[in-house]
Amino acid sequence: QSALTQPPSASGSPGQSVTISCTGTSSDVGGYNYVSWYQQHPGKAPKLMIYEVTKRPSGVPDRFSGSKSGNTASLTVSGLQAEDEADYYCSSYAGSNWGVFGGGTKLTVL
Amino acid sequence: QVQLQESGPGLVKPSQTLSLTCTVSGGSISSGDYYWSWIRQHPTKGLEWIGYIYYDGNTYYTPSLKSRLSISLDTSKKQFSLNLYSVTATDTAVYYCARTSLYGVLDYWGQGTLVTVSS
Repeated sequence: QSALTQPPSASGSPGQSVTISCTGTSSDVGGYNYVSWYQQHPGKAPKLMIYEVTKRPSGVPDRFSGSKSGNTASLTVSGLQAEDEADYYCSSYAGSNWGVFGGGTKLTVL
Repeated sequence: QVQLQESGPGLVKPSQTLSLTCTVSGGSISSGDYYWSWIRQHPTKGLEWIGYIYYDGNTYYTPSLKSRLSISLDTSKKQFSLNLYSVTATDTAVYYCARTSLYGVLDYWGQGTLVTVSS
């Protein structure tokens, strides 16, 4: 199965908002409301930030939000903080071929 | 609190078998509510889902590795394992294990273990 498409980089200043996109197809992102987002700091394991497109696990700040339109999902980080600088990966359920990640986006806080 | 911990050799010779085990604590590995996944990350690269196993032993392997891959489950030890056969340098990566919901949400991860394939 093909990887989901993410921009390689994104950036914003402290306090600003930044949105990261994740584009798939009608067989994955567009076909199911099961998009997840993961945050990964250098040398650390990924951490679940958003699941089922819009839901946040306990402990994840509400500055992180998710949405979806058609075959594209988005992660928005509002009120950027220095600790938000990390790599972000999306993934989507894809039916019998599930297990698809995006290529990752490096978020830089300027 | 569910915790996962990978264990296994950090160095494997080319053509040999890469074997890793993931030990689960703080939760049941026999629950039908979850799959148990292996994911890897090549140096400075993105995440690659290798495969997963269900409590009943059913498995899914990513097509590119299917011919060299085996994932097994030992519920009595609360462990699941990965065997990747005939490895090459391209299998050098950090390997993660993770608990996975029925719709692919990886909610708990191990810390990851670096496996280097080199003679």
